[in-house]
Amino acid sequence: DTGVSQDPRHKITKRGQNVTFRCDPISEHNRLYWYRQTLGQGPEFLTYFQNEAQLEKSRLLSDRFSAERPKGSFSTLEIQRTEQGDSAMYLCASSFQAEQGELFFGEGSRLTVL
Amino acid sequence: AQSVAQPEDQVNVAEGNPLTVKCTYSVSGNPYLFWYVQYPNRGLQFLLKYITGDNLVKGSYGFEAEFNKSQTSFHLKKPSALVSDSALYFCAVRDEGTGGFKTIFGAGTRLFVKA
Repeated sequence: DTGVSQDPRHKITKRGQNVTFRCDPISEHNRLYWYRQTLGQGPEFLTYFQNEAQLEKSRLLSDRFSAERPKGSFSTLEIQRTEQGDSAMYLCASSFQAEQGELFFGEGSRLTVL
Repeated sequence: AQSVAQPEDQVNVAEGNPLTVKCTYSVSGNPYLFWYVQYPNRGLQFLLKYITGDNLVKGSYGFEAEFNKSQTSFHLKKPSALVSDSALYFCAVRDEGTGGFKTIFGAGTRLFVKA
């Protein structure tokens, strides 16, 4: 297993377009997290899944954002009608069942909205 | 709600000298505390964690951190810094008391080790 993978690594889009990011977690990990990171800031929590259930969503996640994990494996994060303020690095992480488990991060998907 | 503060935007240290990167936290229950490192154009990598037990925890690359409950701190330390330690370091906390699994990160501290 090669770790958490994210696709695409870079996305440039025009304002108003929709974008979708995919995350493939480490296979035995049942928890999956999405974070957003802007330059000079720490990762901001967006949402997390346990298996296919989305258990918590941040208030940062507006109605334009939706995340799914349909079969409890890979996840997608879709942003509709993108705005320039959505430009950021979108990070995916996964962890094993145990409460104390650390997060394993992918290398991120960088979004630039023109 | 849990929160994390990293009071220093940047820490500068000479190679071979000890380093400390500071972190304080706030939680309602028992904290699970973590340190992560981020190298340029790379994802975050786990360094070490405190869950329970010994207040001094050891992690990857010779780093260690000391949990201090009374001061609500979890400072990252290394006895002898290397130039290759230069990176962005994030402290993170999960609140055992909330029953959730959300990990909150600090704003990060950039460590610069000069040769």
